[in-house]
Amino acid sequence: DVKVTQSSRYLVKRTGEKVFLECVQDMDHENMFWYRQDPGLGLRLIYFSYDVKMKEKGDIPEGYSVSREKKERFSLILESASTNQTSMYLCASSLGADEKLFFGSGTQLSVL
Amino acid sequence: QQQVKQSPQSLIVQKGGISIINCAYENTAFDYFPWYQQFPGKGPALLIAIRPDVSEKKEGRFTISFNKSAKQFSLHIMDSQPGDSATYFCAASSNDMRFGAGTRLTVKP
Repeated sequence: DVKVTQSSRYLVKRTGEKVFLECVQDMDHENMFWYRQDPGLGLRLIYFSYDVKMKEKGDIPEGYSVSREKKERFSLILESASTNQTSMYLCASSLGADEKLFFGSGTQLSVL
Repeated sequence: QQQVKQSPQSLIVQKGGISIINCAYENTAFDYFPWYQQFPGKGPALLIAIRPDVSEKKEGRFTISFNKSAKQFSLHIMDSQPGDSATYFCAASSNDMRFGAGTRLTVKP
């Protein structure tokens, strides 16, 4: 069965810390995405990647960066965590453009 | 600015009733319109999707109606069941997927 695995289910960090959220997919998908989910705002696209070492900004990239060194792994980096980055972070992958997204279970990040 | 506007924010329906969720978009480049269903503690999962060359798509109790000229699409859940209680997201894509704000559906037994 297809699988998108996010490294942590819950994470608590302090303001100013550098935070890494890891995502791995086992489907040989080309595309990978990072969203954050907040009540009343739905899912907002942070960054996405169509290929290894490629990245594109989504709607809310400020304060985030990403890394895709291998096809199966897409990392989201918070360079200096702030309280307004407390959120549920969802990773997804797809085979191609305009294709079904497969989501991980999410990482609930709290920044104190 | 939300590229896909979804309403209502929450919906309560009696078992056996029809649930209707609406979405609107502005970007005419969107060419793929899926609906995702999310249960607590899980990531969203694809429920049903439509492309703009058809006006309706039905899968079991779930139907998407698509109005290209109005730039609107909706999800209809017929014979709603308590197990349908979840959060529903509409989305639109032209290479990268944009989501609506979500609708929390509660189906009362």
